[in-house]
Amino acid sequence: AQTVTQSQPEMSVQEAETVTLSCTYDTSESDYYLFWYKQPPSRQMILVIRQEAYKQQNATENRFSVNFQKAAKSFSLKISDSQLGDAAMYFCAYRFNNDMRFGAGTRLTVKP
Amino acid sequence: SAVISQKPSRDICQRGTSLTIQCQVDSQVTMMFWYRQQPGQSLTLIATANQGSEATYESGFVIDKFPISRPNLTFSTLTVSNMSPEDSSIYLCSAASRGGPAYEQYFGPGTRLTVT
Repeated sequence: AQTVTQSQPEMSVQEAETVTLSCTYDTSESDYYLFWYKQPPSRQMILVIRQEAYKQQNATENRFSVNFQKAAKSFSLKISDSQLGDAAMYFCAYRFNNDMRFGAGTRLTVKP
Repeated sequence: SAVISQKPSRDICQRGTSLTIQCQVDSQVTMMFWYRQQPGQSLTLIATANQGSEATYESGFVIDKFPISRPNLTFSTLTVSNMSPEDSSIYLCSAASRGGPAYEQYFGPGTRLTVT
């Protein structure tokens, strides 16, 4: 069974600094998809970034980028120039076919 | 993109009663899902809502406890039956349309259920 592990229950970062959130996953598949979702206190889940496993190039979306290491089954999220609005729960997710699995989440605090 | 709304946004219910949560999507979608999220915890898939047929339930979830309907491509309901305090949780509706293999999955704002 596919599992997603986020080993950092909580992280904090100073405003304008950079923070990296870790995620590892376990799968025997070769063609799958990885996602980072953000869930602010409003509870609305928002897609931050996605990565196709067949692509070697790391995905980037403005201040958000990933470090995808397929052999190591690692998928970390880097947030640059952190802003107060980045404070939220961040969930790493793995999807194969239509089956999406989520990690336990990392609560990110941004200090002004 | 798809915008998802849920009703009610929250409710407090007595044990032994049932609550039906509605999920409305502003566009036709291929797939709809129901998740449960304990406060501060991760999301657990309850079932995939299939249009015109019975929902597909994950291990640990049964139709008698969580009946699901999906009468069309934009609407679904989840009923939490014979509630107990252990059912207190946030219930999230999710939807996706196949626009390629890396399709985006959208989420509703959730329904916070408290069972007393």
